[in-house]
Amino acid sequence: QSVLTQPPSASGTPGQRVTISCSGHRSNIGSNFVYWYHQLPGTAPKVLIYRNNQRPSGVPDRFSGSRSGTSASLAISGLRSEDEADYYCASWDDSLSGWVFGGGTKLTVL
Amino acid sequence: QVQLQESGPGLVKSSQTLSLTCTVSGGSISSGSFSWSWIRQPAGKGLEWIGRFYINGRNNYNPSLKSRVTIFVDTSKNQFSLKLTSVTAADTAVYFCARERMAYLERYFDLWGRGTLVAVSS
Repeated sequence: QSVLTQPPSASGTPGQRVTISCSGHRSNIGSNFVYWYHQLPGTAPKVLIYRNNQRPSGVPDRFSGSRSGTSASLAISGLRSEDEADYYCASWDDSLSGWVFGGGTKLTVL
Repeated sequence: QVQLQESGPGLVKSSQTLSLTCTVSGGSISSGSFSWSWIRQPAGKGLEWIGRFYINGRNNYNPSLKSRVTIFVDTSKNQFSLKLTSVTAADTAVYFCARERMAYLERYFDLWGRGTLVAVSS
């Protein structure tokens, strides 16, 4: 049971915009930044979004993040086949003094 | 270019201790700009942070694993290690080592090892 809650799956067609939600608590998302990682099968996760809505260099601006209260979301516009991956949200939890992750959302590009 | 590489046994017997090492190449593990974490992922499941070592502060551990986990560093070898005691089948997972940037406004895992699968046998 993950501390942060994500839908297990999401899907869209090429060119479409999809959003993935992440729900947490006051001790994590409500008090700290949200981060998003994506993971291709058999590989390590890579950061997509940090500090709620910032993109590291090299991440396309098709990816955007937002946070409101104890929830966050990742939006992917202009969906491409290579976006098919697992997406995880993460945040620091003040009560646990550690990082917590969502259970992951498997994105399928139809 | 900094790289992380996990190493250790791929099979551990139930009730015994899981030991893994992450070797950092191309950069110093003693840098105060980073902390060093272990994260695991059971097959088909999500990520679970195990804990971290930070040279400018104290270690932090996932409370659910804290009683069984130790993370320590060998700066002479530029390595950090994980020990997880009393393992069960629930500890079977791919174990990643990862580097966390520690700048306040840029804290995230920016570098990961490729991961190593550890299976616990009965």
